[in-house]
Amino acid sequence: AQSVTQPDARVTVSEGASLQLRCKYSYSATPYLFWYVQYPRQGLQLLLKYYSGDPVVQGVNSFEAEFSKSNSSFHLQKASVHWSDSAVYFCALLNTGNYKYVFGAGTRLKVIA
Amino acid sequence: NAGVIQTPRHKVTGKGQEATLWCEPISGHSAVFWYRQTIVQGLEFLTYFRNQAPIDDSGMPKERFSAQMPNQSHSTLKIQSTQPQDSAVYLCASSLDSGTEVFFGKGTRLTVV
Repeated sequence: AQSVTQPDARVTVSEGASLQLRCKYSYSATPYLFWYVQYPRQGLQLLLKYYSGDPVVQGVNSFEAEFSKSNSSFHLQKASVHWSDSAVYFCALLNTGNYKYVFGAGTRLKVIA
Repeated sequence: NAGVIQTPRHKVTGKGQEATLWCEPISGHSAVFWYRQTIVQGLEFLTYFRNQAPIDDSGMPKERFSAQMPNQSHSTLKIQSTQPQDSAVYLCASSLDSGTEVFFGKGTRLTVV
């Protein structure tokens, strides 16, 4: 069965510091992978997606993620965070067999001054 | 493009009452998804339509929940005899096709008192 694990429920970083949010997946085939961000009282917004090809994908607001088949991971990174990046981040996998999305539990990011 | 529109944004119902939640997907999108979001359970898949036809309702509680998509411009999620445990944010999402990224509405926060 497919699954997505975000091992860190909460992450706190200082403004200007680098960021990595971890995502591990379990899926029998090559997955379609996504990172979404949710700001308070908002729906989820797509940050970036990976379907195939270059394992490093660029997204909005200078976010990027790297797909690793050997590690079954799709970690989200940003070189320098801003206070406005404070939000909940979800990693998701699309099961291309039944077209159902599987979401991780989310990581709440807090950026402090 | 107004995005996925969900109404109402907030709904308060008394225990045992019925609640109907509305979703207008992005024009031209063929796939519509409903999710439930709670602190404890995270994002839970409820049901999925493609070209208005129900494809997968495996996440729907069988007895009191129902979803319909009478035309391509809206879908409804109906909860009969609401219970306090139904309190959650209900998110609707649509995608251009089954294998592409989903776009989420801002959600309906349902509170059952």
